[in-house]
Amino acid sequence: DTGVSQDPRHKITKRGQNVTFRCDPISEHNRLYWYRQTLGQGPEFLTYFQNEAQLEKSRLLSDRFSAERPKGSFSTLEIQRTEQGDSAMYLCASSSAGGNYGYTFGSGTRLTVV
Amino acid sequence: AQSVTQLGSHVSVSEGALVLLRCNYSSSVPPYLFWYVQYPNQGLQLLLKYTTGATLVKGINGFEAEFKKSETSFHLTKPSAHMSDAAEYFCAVSEGGGSYIPTFGRGTSLIVHP
Repeated sequence: DTGVSQDPRHKITKRGQNVTFRCDPISEHNRLYWYRQTLGQGPEFLTYFQNEAQLEKSRLLSDRFSAERPKGSFSTLEIQRTEQGDSAMYLCASSSAGGNYGYTFGSGTRLTVV
Repeated sequence: AQSVTQLGSHVSVSEGALVLLRCNYSSSVPPYLFWYVQYPNQGLQLLLKYTTGATLVKGINGFEAEFKKSETSFHLTKPSAHMSDAAEYFCAVSEGGGSYIPTFGRGTSLIVHP
């Protein structure tokens, strides 16, 4: 078990470009969560999956944000037509169903939109 | 709906002094409660959690927290601060028996003086 892995660690992109981030959860965890964290703030929930089903996506920040988990394993988060306000740390976490064992976070992807 | 309030965005202590980080929550169902620590440019690491059972919970690195239902609190303590404890600390709540999506507080930065 190597924990939750996120790729890339850092991404610098020009405004208007599309970006995609990947998260590989702990293999036995069936829940996967995406959060956004801006400077000086706590993580802000975006969306989550149970296996391949996306059970909550109303908190995605706009229709430019989308996430997939096609085979119930890794997940991707895509941001289309990036804006400077999208600059943040994007965190992925995984858990067993119920979350009573806690949520394991990856190291995050830091996005900078220039 | 659930929410978390962390009192004090910064807490400063001397090395060897008591650490007390405050967390109050609101939840419409019995909560699961968590404390996470975040070091610069890293993801979140679970310190401890309360789900059911004993209300005094011990975690890693000498930290502990007590769930007080009547006060809707889950304050984090450590008897003696070390320089290595300097980091950002986040309290989180999820609704046990509900969606299990954790909601985070804004965080408290712990500063340890020699």
